[in-house]
Amino acid sequence: EVQLVQSGAEVKKPGESLIISCQASGYNFTNYWIGWVRQMPGKGLEWMGIVYPGDSDTRYSPSFQGHITISTDKSITTSYLQWSRLQTSDTAMYYCARRRGELLRFFDFWGQGTLVTVSS
Amino acid sequence: DIQMTQSPSSLSASVGDTVTITCRASQDIRRWLVWYQQKPEKAPKALIYSASSLQSGVPSRFSGSGSGTHFTLTISSLQPEDFATYYCQQYDSYPHTFGQGTKLAIK
Repeated sequence: EVQLVQSGAEVKKPGESLIISCQASGYNFTNYWIGWVRQMPGKGLEWMGIVYPGDSDTRYSPSFQGHITISTDKSITTSYLQWSRLQTSDTAMYYCARRRGELLRFFDFWGQGTLVTVSS
Repeated sequence: DIQMTQSPSSLSASVGDTVTITCRASQDIRRWLVWYQQKPEKAPKALIYSASSLQSGVPSRFSGSGSGTHFTLTISSLQPEDFATYYCQQYDSYPHTFGQGTKLAIK
């Protein structure tokens, strides 16, 4: 059974750093891209970026490029979403999701979400 | 970036009704479009991919059509569990942008 299990909720202050995680199981981790999606409170879904665990190839949305880092650790089948300096506008639910394939580039399995709250 | 525009933003319907949601892309995305359903406090779930292919386990009352820049999601014979928010997403080119969502409420 494919599962993506995300780390727990975080409360941080502006300017702090943060790493949240997404541990995958039930499939060959290195063969499927993992993406991250933001959902701000009461708002829609935003595609942030995606990483291929096999070779760490990474693509970012221009809206998020330079503000986040997406990475993976194949040894523990985990992907990470990282901020070096959080802003209050980073308050949101963050989802990781597995991309189905090279042509079918939609997300077929999702994590449960990690709520990040940034407040002074 | 490709802009995805859904209409309507919200609609209300009754159990048993048939509803259609439209998604328009700002440029040709061929058939590289997926529809997701999201319920409150839950992760999205893929319903239809490649514009018209039913994702495994999804009831056949969900159907999709379209190509190029105009796509539709139709839900026939609405069930109580179908009241949720629906999003389209293009996966033709990066970034894989989402529509703004359509909230389907019970009338």
